Amino acid sequence: SQQGEEDPQALSIQEGENATMNCSYKTSINNLQWYRQNSGRGLVHLILIRSNEREKHSGRLRVTLDTSKKSSSLLITASRAADTASYFCATDNSGAGSYQLTFGKGTKLSVIP
Amino acid sequence: NAGVTQTPKFRVLKTGQSMTLLCAQDMNHEYMYWYRQDPGMGLRLIHYSVGEGTTAKGEVPDGYNVSRLKKQNFLLGLESAAPSQTSVYFCASSYSGIDEQYFGPGTRLTVT
Repeated sequence: SQQGEEDPQALSIQEGENATMNCSYKTSINNLQWYRQNSGRGLVHLILIRSNEREKHSGRLRVTLDTSKKSSSLLITASRAADTASYFCATDNSGAGSYQLTFGKGTKLSVIP
Repeated sequence: NAGVTQTPKFRVLKTGQSMTLLCAQDMNHEYMYWYRQDPGMGLRLIHYSVGEGTTAKGEVPDGYNVSRLKKQNFLLGLESAAPSQTSVYFCASSYSGIDEQYFGPGTRLTVT
């Protein structure tokens, strides 16, 4: 079953604009992670935010976490054509004592030059 | 460091044939995973291992077997391939169960 669900499923923006993707999950977590997947490639880890953190930055990436709403957002600022990819959130399930990651179905981002 | 490697990259099987996918990592990670990715389904965990000699079932284990005889290798076997197993298979590894995972490039399998 899917723990994390991304929204929107697809997003198309112009180069230079900001892109925001959201993730909702169902159970208590230790961490929430975001990954990127370029077409035909493996996933690449972007950022990890712990359950006791509310915001984290890495370069042009900004991630927020609201554990009361069980949701997270990924903001990519000043987007580039090279940011075109699918983005996935992944959560563990600390409430069930499970330390597997469960991935959402992803947001497909297209950045138009 | 090569990171996580997978062999083969592509494979076409006929229904009923068997094959083994090999995953290797050189990061001394304890945890290793096999996922499948299908259009519109995201990644689904097939099996995983928390250390050499251990394996456990994930979300979709039926039709697959795994072995972790050496810490650096994690093998995924299909004993009797079915068209429903047509997918892209990814291997990943991590230091612990809640750390970031490092992914291989994937194996594209088609079962006809």
